Amino acid sequence: DTEVTQTPKHLVMGMTNKKSLKCEQHMGHRAMYWYKQKAKKPPELMFVYSYEKLSINESVPSRFSPECPNSSLLNLHLHALQPEDSALYLCASSPSMSGLTNYGYTFGSGTRLTVV
Amino acid sequence: GQQLNQSPQSMFIQEGEDVSMNCTSSSIFNTWLWYKQEPGEGPVLLIALYKAGELTSNGRLTAQFGITRKDSFLNISASIPSDVGIYFCAGRPDYGGSQGNLIFGKGTKLSVKP
Repeated sequence: DTEVTQTPKHLVMGMTNKKSLKCEQHMGHRAMYWYKQKAKKPPELMFVYSYEKLSINESVPSRFSPECPNSSLLNLHLHALQPEDSALYLCASSPSMSGLTNYGYTFGSGTRLTVV
Repeated sequence: GQQLNQSPQSMFIQEGEDVSMNCTSSSIFNTWLWYKQEPGEGPVLLIALYKAGELTSNGRLTAQFGITRKDSFLNISASIPSDVGIYFCAGRPDYGGSQGNLIFGKGTKLSVKP
Protein backbone atom coordinates (compact mmCIF):
# COMPACT_ATOMS: atom_id res chain seq x y z
CA ASP A 1 0.00 0.00 0.00
CA THR A 2 1.74 3.15 -1.22
CA GLU A 3 -1.12 5.59 -0.75
CA VAL A 4 -2.21 8.35 1.54
CA THR A 5 -6.00 8.28 1.86
CA GLN A 6 -7.93 11.41 2.78
CA THR A 7 -11.60 11.69 3.68
CA PRO A 8 -13.90 13.31 2.89
CA LYS A 9 -12.99 14.38 -0.63
CA HIS A 10 -15.31 17.39 -0.42
CA LEU A 11 -16.69 19.22 2.62
CA VAL A 12 -18.99 22.21 2.92
CA MET A 13 -19.37 23.62 6.40
CA GLY A 14 -20.88 26.64 8.08
CA MET A 15 -18.84 29.01 10.20
CA THR A 16 -20.35 27.60 13.41
CA ASN A 17 -19.85 23.95 12.52
CA LYS A 18 -17.30 21.51 13.88
CA LYS A 19 -15.91 18.99 11.43
CA SER A 20 -12.84 16.79 11.05
CA LEU A 21 -10.60 15.83 8.15
CA LYS A 22 -9.02 12.41 8.21
CA CYS A 23 -5.81 11.05 6.74
CA GLU A 24 -4.49 7.48 6.77
CA GLN A 25 -1.33 5.81 5.52
CA HIS A 26 -0.05 2.26 5.89
CA MET A 27 3.46 2.71 4.52
CA GLY A 28 5.05 2.75 7.96
CA HIS A 29 5.92 6.41 7.56
CA ARG A 30 6.68 8.16 10.85
CA ALA A 31 6.25 11.75 9.70
CA MET A 32 2.87 13.15 8.66
CA TYR A 33 1.97 16.62 7.46
CA TRP A 34 -0.99 18.90 6.90
CA TYR A 35 -0.78 21.40 4.06
CA LYS A 36 -3.23 24.06 2.91
CA GLN A 37 -3.40 24.93 -0.79
CA LYS A 38 -5.26 27.84 -2.31
CA ALA A 39 -6.11 27.88 -6.00
CA LYS A 40 -3.11 28.32 -8.32
CA LYS A 41 -0.71 28.45 -5.34
CA PRO A 42 1.79 25.93 -3.98
CA PRO A 43 0.97 23.93 -0.84
CA GLU A 44 1.67 25.74 2.44
CA LEU A 45 2.82 23.76 5.45
CA MET A 46 0.52 23.87 8.49
CA PHE A 47 1.60 21.09 10.88
CA VAL A 48 4.19 18.33 11.10
CA TYR A 49 3.91 15.24 13.26
CA SER A 50 7.00 13.15 13.88
CA TYR A 51 6.59 9.83 15.67
CA GLU A 52 3.04 10.86 16.64
CA LYS A 53 4.19 14.05 18.35
CA LEU A 54 3.49 17.53 17.06
CA SER A 55 6.83 18.79 15.83
CA ILE A 56 5.96 21.91 13.89
CA ASN A 57 3.03 24.32 13.99
CA GLU A 58 3.48 27.01 11.36
CA SER A 59 1.60 29.65 13.39
CA VAL A 60 -1.73 28.16 12.38
CA PRO A 61 -4.86 29.70 14.01
CA SER A 62 -6.30 27.67 16.87
CA ARG A 63 -9.52 27.04 14.93
CA PHE A 64 -7.43 24.30 13.25
CA SER A 65 -6.52 21.54 15.70
CA PRO A 66 -4.41 18.57 14.57
CA GLU A 67 -4.40 15.16 16.19
CA CYS A 68 -2.33 12.05 15.57
CA PRO A 69 -4.08 9.11 17.31
CA ASN A 70 -1.51 6.58 16.07
CA SER A 71 1.28 6.19 13.54
CA SER A 72 -1.13 5.61 10.66
CA LEU A 73 -3.74 8.27 11.29
CA LEU A 74 -3.77 12.04 11.22
CA ASN A 75 -6.81 14.20 11.86
CA LEU A 76 -7.47 17.89 11.46
CA HIS A 77 -10.31 19.21 13.62
CA LEU A 78 -12.05 22.31 12.35
CA HIS A 79 -14.11 24.75 14.41
CA ALA A 80 -15.43 28.26 13.78
CA LEU A 81 -13.74 28.57 10.41
CA GLN A 82 -13.91 31.62 8.20
CA PRO A 83 -14.75 31.75 4.47
CA GLU A 84 -11.10 32.55 3.72
CA ASP A 85 -10.20 29.13 5.14
CA SER A 86 -11.78 27.56 2.06
CA ALA A 87 -9.00 25.64 0.29
CA LEU A 88 -7.67 22.21 -0.64
CA TYR A 89 -6.28 20.56 2.50
CA LEU A 90 -3.57 18.05 1.75
CA CYS A 91 -2.12 15.38 3.97
CA ALA A 92 1.33 13.97 3.26
CA SER A 93 3.67 11.45 4.82
CA SER A 94 7.36 10.60 4.61
CA PRO A 95 9.52 7.87 6.14
CA SER A 96 10.85 10.32 8.68
CA MET A 97 11.01 14.04 9.27
CA SER A 98 14.77 14.27 9.08
CA GLY A 99 17.43 12.26 7.38
CA LEU A 100 17.61 11.24 3.75
CA THR A 101 14.70 9.46 2.22
CA ASN A 102 14.36 7.83 -1.15
CA TYR A 103 10.67 8.50 -1.51
CA GLY A 104 10.04 12.17 -0.96
CA TYR A 105 6.71 13.13 0.49
CA THR A 106 3.64 11.13 -0.56
CA PHE A 107 0.53 13.29 -0.80
CA GLY A 108 -3.10 12.34 -0.52
CA SER A 109 -5.69 13.61 -2.99
CA GLY A 110 -6.86 16.26 -0.56
CA THR A 111 -10.12 17.48 0.93
CA ARG A 112 -11.75 20.37 -0.91
CA LEU A 113 -13.15 22.50 1.95
CA THR A 114 -15.71 25.24 1.42
CA VAL A 115 -16.71 27.42 4.37
CA VAL A 116 -20.02 29.21 3.94
CA GLY B 1 11.49 33.01 4.66
CA GLN B 2 13.21 30.74 2.20
CA GLN B 3 11.83 30.88 -1.33
CA LEU B 4 12.29 28.99 -4.56
CA ASN B 5 12.15 30.71 -7.92
CA GLN B 6 10.42 28.46 -10.43
CA SER B 7 10.19 29.34 -14.10
CA PRO B 8 8.47 29.63 -16.38
CA GLN B 9 5.17 30.37 -14.66
CA SER B 10 3.23 28.86 -17.55
CA MET B 11 3.88 27.19 -20.90
CA PHE B 12 1.66 26.63 -23.92
CA ILE B 13 3.19 24.07 -26.25
CA GLN B 14 2.31 21.85 -29.19
CA GLU B 15 2.05 18.10 -28.71
CA GLY B 16 5.39 16.49 -29.46
CA GLU B 17 7.50 19.42 -28.31
CA ASP B 18 10.05 19.17 -25.52
CA VAL B 19 9.57 21.13 -22.29
CA SER B 20 12.06 22.51 -19.82
CA MET B 21 11.46 24.17 -16.46
CA ASN B 22 13.74 25.00 -13.57
CA CYS B 23 13.99 26.08 -9.96
CA THR B 24 16.64 28.14 -8.25
CA SER B 25 17.30 29.04 -4.65
CA SER B 26 19.56 31.50 -2.89
CA SER B 27 20.90 28.84 -0.52
CA ILE B 28 22.06 25.25 -0.67
CA PHE B 29 19.51 22.45 -0.82
CA ASN B 30 20.14 18.75 -0.15
CA THR B 31 16.99 17.38 -1.76
CA TRP B 32 15.09 18.35 -4.89
CA LEU B 33 11.71 16.87 -5.73
CA TRP B 34 9.50 17.38 -8.75
CA TYR B 35 5.74 16.94 -8.44
CA LYS B 36 2.84 17.10 -10.90
CA GLN B 37 -0.60 18.17 -9.76
CA GLU B 38 -3.81 17.79 -11.75
CA PRO B 39 -7.05 19.62 -10.91
CA GLY B 40 -8.74 18.31 -7.77
CA GLU B 41 -5.86 16.00 -6.91
CA GLY B 42 -2.85 16.09 -4.65
CA PRO B 43 0.69 16.47 -5.98
CA VAL B 44 2.19 13.26 -7.33
CA LEU B 45 5.94 12.71 -6.98
CA LEU B 46 7.66 12.41 -10.36
CA ILE B 47 11.36 12.44 -9.56
CA ALA B 48 13.43 12.75 -6.38
CA LEU B 49 17.07 13.91 -6.37
CA TYR B 50 19.46 13.61 -3.43
CA LYS B 51 22.98 14.27 -4.72
CA ALA B 52 24.56 17.24 -6.46
CA GLY B 53 24.97 16.47 -10.15
CA GLU B 54 22.50 13.60 -10.03
CA LEU B 55 20.60 13.09 -13.28
CA THR B 56 17.50 10.89 -13.06
CA SER B 57 14.93 9.83 -15.63
CA ASN B 58 11.38 8.59 -15.28
CA GLY B 59 10.09 7.69 -18.74
CA ARG B 60 10.00 10.87 -20.81
CA LEU B 61 10.93 12.96 -17.77
CA THR B 62 14.49 13.84 -16.82
CA ALA B 63 15.56 15.95 -13.85
CA GLN B 64 18.94 17.07 -12.57
CA PHE B 65 20.24 18.26 -9.21
CA GLY B 66 22.49 21.23 -9.99
CA ILE B 67 26.18 21.05 -9.17
CA THR B 68 25.95 24.23 -7.09
CA ARG B 69 23.12 22.58 -5.07
CA LYS B 70 21.09 25.74 -5.65
CA ASP B 71 19.09 24.67 -8.67
CA SER B 72 17.30 21.86 -10.45
CA PHE B 73 15.65 21.42 -13.82
CA LEU B 74 12.96 19.14 -15.21
CA ASN B 75 12.72 18.22 -18.88
CA ILE B 76 9.78 16.51 -20.56
CA SER B 77 10.46 15.09 -23.99
CA ALA B 78 7.87 14.59 -26.76
CA SER B 79 4.99 16.05 -24.75
CA ILE B 80 1.52 14.51 -24.95
CA PRO B 81 -1.89 15.92 -23.92
CA SER B 82 -1.90 14.03 -20.61
CA ASP B 83 1.21 15.97 -19.53
CA VAL B 84 -1.12 18.90 -18.82
CA GLY B 85 -1.01 20.02 -15.20
CA ILE B 86 0.93 22.13 -12.74
CA TYR B 87 4.50 21.06 -12.06
CA PHE B 88 6.00 22.00 -8.71
CA CYS B 89 9.60 21.82 -7.67
CA ALA B 90 10.24 21.31 -3.98
CA GLY B 91 13.45 21.33 -2.04
CA ARG B 92 14.84 20.81 1.43
CA PRO B 93 17.34 23.43 2.62
CA ASP B 94 20.60 22.16 4.07
CA TYR B 95 21.10 23.89 7.41
CA GLY B 96 24.61 22.62 8.03
CA GLY B 97 23.75 19.00 8.67
CA SER B 98 20.16 19.34 9.83
CA GLN B 99 17.34 19.42 7.33
CA GLY B 100 14.68 22.02 6.85
CA ASN B 101 11.13 21.40 5.84
CA LEU B 102 10.13 21.02 2.22
CA ILE B 103 9.78 24.32 0.37
CA PHE B 104 7.70 24.55 -2.80
CA GLY B 105 8.20 26.62 -5.92
CA LYS B 106 5.18 28.51 -7.25
CA GLY B 107 4.56 26.00 -10.01
CA THR B 108 4.70 25.84 -13.79
CA LYS B 109 1.35 25.42 -15.50
CA LEU B 110 1.74 23.30 -18.64
CA SER B 111 -0.82 23.33 -21.44
CA VAL B 112 -0.40 21.00 -24.43
CA LYS B 113 -2.23 21.58 -27.67
CA PRO B 114 -3.00 18.35 -29.60
